[in-house]
Amino acid sequence: VQLVQSGAAVKKPGESLTISCEASGYDLDNYWITWVRQKPGKGLEWLGKIDPTDSYTDYNPSFQGHVTISTDNSISTSFLRWTSLRASDSAIYFCARLRARVGDRGPFDIWGQGTRVVVSS
Amino acid sequence: DIVMTQSPDSLAVSLGERATINCKSSQSILYNSNNKDYVAWYQQKPGQPPKLLISWASTRESGVPERFSGSGSGTDFTLTISSLQAEDVAVYFCQQYYSSPHTFGQGTELEIK
Repeated sequence: VQLVQSGAAVKKPGESLTISCEASGYDLDNYWITWVRQKPGKGLEWLGKIDPTDSYTDYNPSFQGHVTISTDNSISTSFLRWTSLRASDSAIYFCARLRARVGDRGPFDIWGQGTRVVVSS
Repeated sequence: DIVMTQSPDSLAVSLGERATINCKSSQSILYNSNNKDYVAWYQQKPGQPPKLLISWASTRESGVPERFSGSGSGTDFTLTISSLQAEDVAVYFCQQYYSSPHTFGQGTELEIK
């Protein structure tokens, strides 16, 4: 069971970006996927989560409207997308599997290796 | 939003000694219908993603050494390492998954004295 994320990205402010998170060893449909941000030397910030069965999403209000979380179940992959990056988006982004017994609440038990995003002019 | 506050921010403990990290939530994260506390503890080593150690306040993940234990209920939680080993040097985070947004504590940096 693992989550493998796409490689590092270097972008300019205002550009768009999509990073990916491919699940293997389990059925993507059976668990929510969540995304977490970590700025250099800082703590963890929760961006949002998605139910792959119906693409229902729940966003942290602090990030709502700035990022979009989606999945493509045919390739067992979740995506995190920006349409207009800011310098303040520079960080490492992790995807994680949310292990919920019932509903959408549970610990994050499997993590991707992280994707470093650098936004600089 | 539920605010998770960890203490201390950093901690230096001698090898073989006990390390204790505290986490306080701004409101109760005990779900009365199932009597479970919706809190987890993670360990993050440099250059690595976080690793889940403890869920539901006190349930140790498979493969996590027995020296790691979680306790507490309601709003006050503790992660204890009973006998510190060199490989335990890391940053530790608590997290609540009781309600959205699922917030983390600011982290506690644990090092060897």
